[in-house]
Amino acid sequence: DGGITQSPKYLFRKEGQNVTLSCEQNLNHDAMYWYRQDPGQGLRLIYYSQIVNDFQKGDIAEGYSVSREKKESFPLTVTSAQKNPTAFYLCASSIVLLYEQYFGPGTRLTVT
Amino acid sequence: DQQVKQNSPSLSVQEGRISILNCDYTNSMFDYFLWYKKYPAEGPTFLISISSIKDKNEDGRFTVFLNKSAKHLSLHIVPSQPGDSAVYFCAASGESWGKFQFGAGTQVVVTP
Repeated sequence: DGGITQSPKYLFRKEGQNVTLSCEQNLNHDAMYWYRQDPGQGLRLIYYSQIVNDFQKGDIAEGYSVSREKKESFPLTVTSAQKNPTAFYLCASSIVLLYEQYFGPGTRLTVT
Repeated sequence: DQQVKQNSPSLSVQEGRISILNCDYTNSMFDYFLWYKKYPAEGPTFLISISSIKDKNEDGRFTVFLNKSAKHLSLHIVPSQPGDSAVYFCAASGESWGKFQFGAGTQVVVTP
């Protein structure tokens, strides 16, 4: 079955620690994205990548970092510099130049 | 500043009736619009889209209308079914491929 997997579903970390969220897709999509969702707000774009070894900042990239070493994988690191890291994080992928994005189930990160 | 707004956080509708979800945007550069549906604990799934060269797009029970002069789009679901109970997000793109602005979502509850 083709799709996007995000792990883990729930993640708890202490303040000051970096944490990496996993995103893997087997849809053979070139483009991948990371979004953040906060209560009462829409999805906000953190980073996106259209091709391996290349990525661009989205609207709220500060405090986050990504890598795209493989087509299938686009991990997101939430660094200690991110002031409000507690949120629901969604990964998505798409065929380049098509608008429809396919989303994973999300990871809920809680930092205390 | 939110460029895409869904001003109704929730909507309750009887089974069999029409659900109308609204979305307003402020950026005149937006030229492609999508609606996504999200169930709890799952990622959003693509529902229907519309390009700015059209004013209507239909797919089964779902129709999206676009009024460019008013910077307004709406999603009609006819007839509403219990399985339509979900959060619906509208999203808009235009300035840069791959970058979408999402609304905050509308929770639809379809009652028997």
